[in-house]
Amino acid sequence: KAGVTQTPRYLIKTRGQQVTLSCSPISGHRSVSWYQQTPGQGLQFLFEYFSETQRNKGNFPGRFSGRQFSNSRSEMNVSTLELGDSALYLCASRITGTEARGYTFGSGTRLTVV
Amino acid sequence: QQQVKQSPQSLIVQKGGISIINCAYENTAFDYFPWYQQFPGKGPALLIAIRPDVSEKKEGRFTISFNKSAKQFSLHIMDSQPGDSATYFCAATGLSGSARQLTFGSGTQLTVLP
Repeated sequence: KAGVTQTPRYLIKTRGQQVTLSCSPISGHRSVSWYQQTPGQGLQFLFEYFSETQRNKGNFPGRFSGRQFSNSRSEMNVSTLELGDSALYLCASRITGTEARGYTFGSGTRLTVV
Repeated sequence: QQQVKQSPQSLIVQKGGISIINCAYENTAFDYFPWYQQFPGKGPALLIAIRPDVSEKKEGRFTISFNKSAKQFSLHIMDSQPGDSATYFCAATGLSGSARQLTFGSGTQLTVLP
C-alpha cells in the first residue's frame, strides 16, 4: 500500500513569506502528526490532528499552524518565515490518535529560508 | 521531564562488530519505546520497539534491552554491516489525556566500515 506522501519535497522561500506543506497519510490512517527536524534541535513535535481536530501541540510559536481535511490529508502552514525555520518537515500517520504503535513517516519536505 | 537523552552522538564500528546505542528517559508515563533508522533524504523508519513490561526484544540482528528501574534502554546491532550506516533515533511516547506524541533522542550517526 502507498506510504505517507509529502509534497513538495523541496522548497526555497524568502524571509517574511509564508509556506504551506502537504501530507497525505496512509489510506485508513486518521491521525497525522508533524515534526520539525534540524541539526541543532533534532526532531521536535509540532502538532497532531485526528478527525480534523488538533489533538496536541508542541512548543512552537503561533506562526506554525495546521489543519486536517475530511479525507485525513493534512497541511501545515508557516507564516512570516524566519531563517531559523529552515528544516526538514516530516509528517507521520497512524490509524488512531491513541495507539502507541504504527507511526509511519513520510520522506519530508526540505524547507530552506533565504 | 519530556526529554530522552541519547548517546553516543556518533559511532564507528567495523563490519561484523556490535553497535550499541544508549538512551535514558525521565517521564515514567512513557509506555512505548521505538527505535528509528533514518537514511539521508528519507524520513525515519521504525526499526524495532519495546514496551516497559519487557526487558528484551530481539528482531534479527537488532535487540532492544530495557531497564525500567534505571529508566534506560539500548539498541544493540549484532554483526553490523555497511548497509546499517545511518542515523538512529530512540524515542518514547505516552498518553497525555487522549493524545500522544513521540519524544526523540538526539540521534546517533552510525558508520560501519567495510
